[in-house]
Amino acid sequence: DAGVTQSPTHLIKTRGQQVTLRCSPISGHKSVSWYQQVLGQGPQFIFQYYEKEERGRGNFPDRFSARQFPNYSSELNVNALLLGDSALYLCASSREDTHNQPQHFGDGTRLSIL
Amino acid sequence: GQNIDQPTEMTATEGAIVQINCTYQTSGFNGLFWYQQHAGEAPTFLSYNVLDGLEEKGRFSSFLSRSKGYSYLLLKELQMKDSASYLCAVRAGGYQKVTFGIGTKLQVIP
Repeated sequence: DAGVTQSPTHLIKTRGQQVTLRCSPISGHKSVSWYQQVLGQGPQFIFQYYEKEERGRGNFPDRFSARQFPNYSSELNVNALLLGDSALYLCASSREDTHNQPQHFGDGTRLSIL
Repeated sequence: GQNIDQPTEMTATEGAIVQINCTYQTSGFNGLFWYQQHAGEAPTFLSYNVLDGLEEKGRFSSFLSRSKGYSYLLLKELQMKDSASYLCAVRAGGYQKVTFGIGTKLQVIP
């Protein structure tokens, strides 16, 4: 089975632009989470969606938004990009919204802001 | 909020055993994960603990003490390919918000 897939793999934007990142979870996984990882740090939680509903939001500004589609794929949108948004954006999926299910990560989208 | 502490770097010798510690402070604890992340790659799941005690999986073991807010990851028979960052992550609350530590960069030397 295919793992979590993310697109694009790399992206270069300039300040003030908007970006949309995409994620397809593992088949059968209904929960999708988004993380931001800057170099030398652990992933920081942005959003979690389950069955198309937002279940959690981290400490990120309203410029960050996301949604989940009926096929459980997800998009992360970031508006008014800042230099500090340069990071690896990771998507993770899990089977159910229960505590003992590990999250499986995609390879991420590396976003560079110039 | 949650606070997770783990050493930033460790060095160990090929064939040896290394223990990576993680301490955390959180309310509504709902499980602790360990992930391995090689440079430039995505994190991969290693282990999960929600009850006190030791979970063993091949060369990797993970221990949890909820009362002490403490976990460790034990790697045995170290191999060069074990050189990576090891992320401690805590889940708390009623949903899957998972808070990661900074990661411990392990270097295995010959």
